[in-house]
Amino acid sequence: DAKTTQPTSMDCAEGRAANLPCNHSTISGNEYVYWYRQIHSQGPQYIIHGLKNNETNEMASLIITEDRKSSTLILPHATLRDTAVYYCIVRVPGTASKLTFGTGTRLQVTL
Amino acid sequence: GAVVSQHPSRVICKSGTSVKIECRSLDFQATTMFWYRQFPKQSLMLMATSNEGSKATYEQGVEKDKFLINHASLTLSTLTVTSAHPEDSSFYICSARAEGHGELFFGEGSRLTVL
Repeated sequence: DAKTTQPTSMDCAEGRAANLPCNHSTISGNEYVYWYRQIHSQGPQYIIHGLKNNETNEMASLIITEDRKSSTLILPHATLRDTAVYYCIVRVPGTASKLTFGTGTRLQVTL
Repeated sequence: GAVVSQHPSRVICKSGTSVKIECRSLDFQATTMFWYRQFPKQSLMLMATSNEGSKATYEQGVEKDKFLINHASLTLSTLTVTSAHPEDSSFYICSARAEGHGELFFGEGSRLTVL
């Protein structure tokens, strides 16, 4: 799996959009970008994934650059419950390839 | 989404005893499950890949005789921490991949405290 780099921490005011960047400059053509988050003392929660087109679901939007070397996870209206560590991971879906976690971004949503 | 359940969520044991943690996929079959360990303020570290009906594949530095993994059915994998010591105290998390799906789903985690 390709390596990813993320900022260590970010703050966001409640109600504002949280934009979490991720660099994956060595991503290969068949690797997707996955985002998970981990709220304190819980298992990781799947958020969204994509290959090259932008994706949106009920939780978030994923914007992938045209060269696929970076992406941004957008939480459109952050709430206190979105405070968590967010992990950006690249892997080939539908395979038994393992998921390797980096250090992630600790997002703190404040009042 | 698919549900993965771990049991127990918390366990406290004495040093030298063995502890078994179960990971179940509740509404799908999982030929592959992964076991992770997480120390405070650190990221998840992959310990091993568990394949149904075959031996687990361990990551470098993980003792296979200490962390016994059994994946006897398509919905259950177990991790047994043998002869536990205080340094084995950690948050253990499993994940499972549903056949035909790309996403991996995670259990709630099991916090082990060895006294």
